[in-house]
Amino acid sequence: AQSVTQLGSHVSVSEGALVLLRCNYSSSVPPYLFWYVQYPNQGLQLLLKYTSAATLVKGINGFEAEFKKSETSFHLTKPSAHMSDAAEYFCAVKEGGYNKLIFGAGTRLAVHP
Amino acid sequence: EAGVAQSPRYKIIEKRQSVAFWCNPISGHATLYWYQQILGQGPKLLIQFQNNGVVDDSQLPKDRFSAERLKGVDSTLKIQPAKLEDSAVYLCASSLEGLSSNTGELFFGEGSRLTVL
Repeated sequence: AQSVTQLGSHVSVSEGALVLLRCNYSSSVPPYLFWYVQYPNQGLQLLLKYTSAATLVKGINGFEAEFKKSETSFHLTKPSAHMSDAAEYFCAVKEGGYNKLIFGAGTRLAVHP
Repeated sequence: EAGVAQSPRYKIIEKRQSVAFWCNPISGHATLYWYQQILGQGPKLLIQFQNNGVVDDSQLPKDRFSAERLKGVDSTLKIQPAKLEDSAVYLCASSLEGLSSNTGELFFGEGSRLTVL
């Protein structure tokens, strides 16, 4: 079965600093990988997805992620953090033939002035 | 376009009581999901419907949880009797695609927060 591991349940950065959220996956087949963002008291929103096309994927709000098969990683980055980026971020992998997503435990991003 | 609607947003009950959550997916979305999100954890799939049929309910505690999507549109998730460990946010999501799609884009509602005392 596929799974994802998110390293670091909490990440804190200064406004304007680089954001790096780590995700490693386990999959026996070429994976479909996703990052979702959850703002307080809201549902999850798709940030970006990798579906075996380009290994560098650009998403909304300036975020991007790079698929590295050799490292089984799909880390999320943003060059310059903004206060509005404070949220919880979930990495997910698609399992099976249906749209079933397996989520990681999440990383809460705090951005301070 | 209207998003995924869920109600109630908050519910507090005592253990052994019952509760029901309702979800109305985005119009035209064939697939509907119920996820359980316990504090500090990622969402866990409870049940997945394709139209009005169940695709996956392998992690649904069937002795106390039930869900239905009778007309292939809205859905109800019921817990009876509730336990303390059922305290969580119950997220409903929907997706447009059917069995052959691989995009994996789910649209989530705001969730129903359950507290069991």
